[in-house]
Amino acid sequence: DTGVSQDPRHKITKRGQNVTFRCDPISEHNRLYWYRQTLGQGPEFLTYFQNEAQLEKSRLLSDRFSAERPKGSFSTLEIQRTEQGDSAMYLCASSLGWASGTDEQYFGPGTRLTVT
Amino acid sequence: EDKVVQSPLSLVVHEGDTVTLNCSYEVTNFRSLLWYKQEKKAPTFLFMLTSSGIEKKSGRLSSILDKKELFSILNITATQTGDSAIYLCAVEGGNSGYALNFGKGTSLLVTP
Repeated sequence: DTGVSQDPRHKITKRGQNVTFRCDPISEHNRLYWYRQTLGQGPEFLTYFQNEAQLEKSRLLSDRFSAERPKGSFSTLEIQRTEQGDSAMYLCASSLGWASGTDEQYFGPGTRLTVT
Repeated sequence: EDKVVQSPLSLVVHEGDTVTLNCSYEVTNFRSLLWYKQEKKAPTFLFMLTSSGIEKKSGRLSSILDKKELFSILNITATQTGDSAIYLCAVEGGNSGYALNFGKGTSLLVTP
């Protein structure tokens, strides 16, 4: 257990529905990242936050995806009008940031999304 | 385009063997290279490498980075069945700022 938690762990939804995932990072970590992983691939970057500011978004993050990190603590990732291609493991990671001199990212257990 | 390539993609060895996993990269603004182990869950952190030629070691695992030739290796000696996992190489830098660019991973199976 890395100290990063995600909820729910599994989500099955019908195509067209909206889903929201939550990530709670390690408490003193300033940076929070979202990745998506499909079978046989390494994780792919989606977006990241420095405290409450969303500093970068991948081109993978279509208009149907939105992420927030209010007050710089937990984060939510929402997918609107889900499509079957959204089926994947959604991973959250957190890191201390440059103040620590290193920036190891620690991953949560992930949320497995299945869109039927 | 940033690239992280791992080889081999899969490997089967017997308990007690030594394995070497490879990771080559082409990433602008390189900051660090990280190795993770992934079983049937999220990746767990193994090593972070920022300087060439300095070996990092943890038990039977070790890793080294060559920033001139743009590659890293992960060695596992005296393998055990519990080492069976996917080993992911990731590079921090490139066009994605502080995000990690991952390779596809090497799937290692250690048989008794």
